[in-house]
Amino acid sequence: QVQLVQSGAEVKKPGASVRVSCKASGYTFISYGLHWVRQAPGQGLDWMAWINPDNGNTKSSQKFQDRVTITRDTSASTAYMELSSLRSEDTAVYYCARDVSSSIDSWGQGTLVTVSS
Amino acid sequence: DVVMTQSPLSLPVTLGQPASISCRSSQSLVYNENTYLNWFQQRPGQSPRRLIYKVSNRDSGVPDRFSGSGSGTDFTLKISRVEAEDVGLYYCMQGTHWPPTFGQGTKLEIK
Repeated sequence: QVQLVQSGAEVKKPGASVRVSCKASGYTFISYGLHWVRQAPGQGLDWMAWINPDNGNTKSSQKFQDRVTITRDTSASTAYMELSSLRSEDTAVYYCARDVSSSIDSWGQGTLVTVSS
Repeated sequence: DVVMTQSPLSLPVTLGQPASISCRSSQSLVYNENTYLNWFQQRPGQSPRRLIYKVSNRDSGVPDRFSGSGSGTDFTLKISRVEAEDVGLYYCMQGTHWPPTFGQGTKLEIK
């Protein structure tokens, strides 16, 4: 079965960067895009970015464009999301999610990133 | 970006009674005869789970008390008889236009 397993919780200081990983299993990694979506405490789902694991092409929300970098390691079936210049408003749970035909059919368990001085 | 507007944002429901959530998009979600409108459920403390894709197609394992309908810019998720396990947040999401966008979420609770 499809599984997306994310890295563990992180605590970062303002101005720092964080990298979250998402390891895929149960399917051919390069055959499906991966989205990154975040959810601030008590808030809704906010789409951040997407990667095509086959060719590495990425797209990101204008809201995060200058601060978010999405990469992948096909040999490890893993995608990475790096967010820089962290501020307190970036405190959120970050999810990776598999893209299937303009939809999302599977989600990772989420990674809590806390930004605090 | 396409704006997805859900209503209501809070939905108290008596067990066994029906529930309905509306989702409206700022643009038509039709593309090449397909409409990429999805519904997700997020139970407390869990990741979202897709319930419905392309307006009305139920995912495997989703109880048939959940149904989706609509067209163009107006969509509805209906629960025929609410059960205790249905408590949580419900989101619509469009995948027709880039970037994908979500509704604000509807919180379903038991009265």
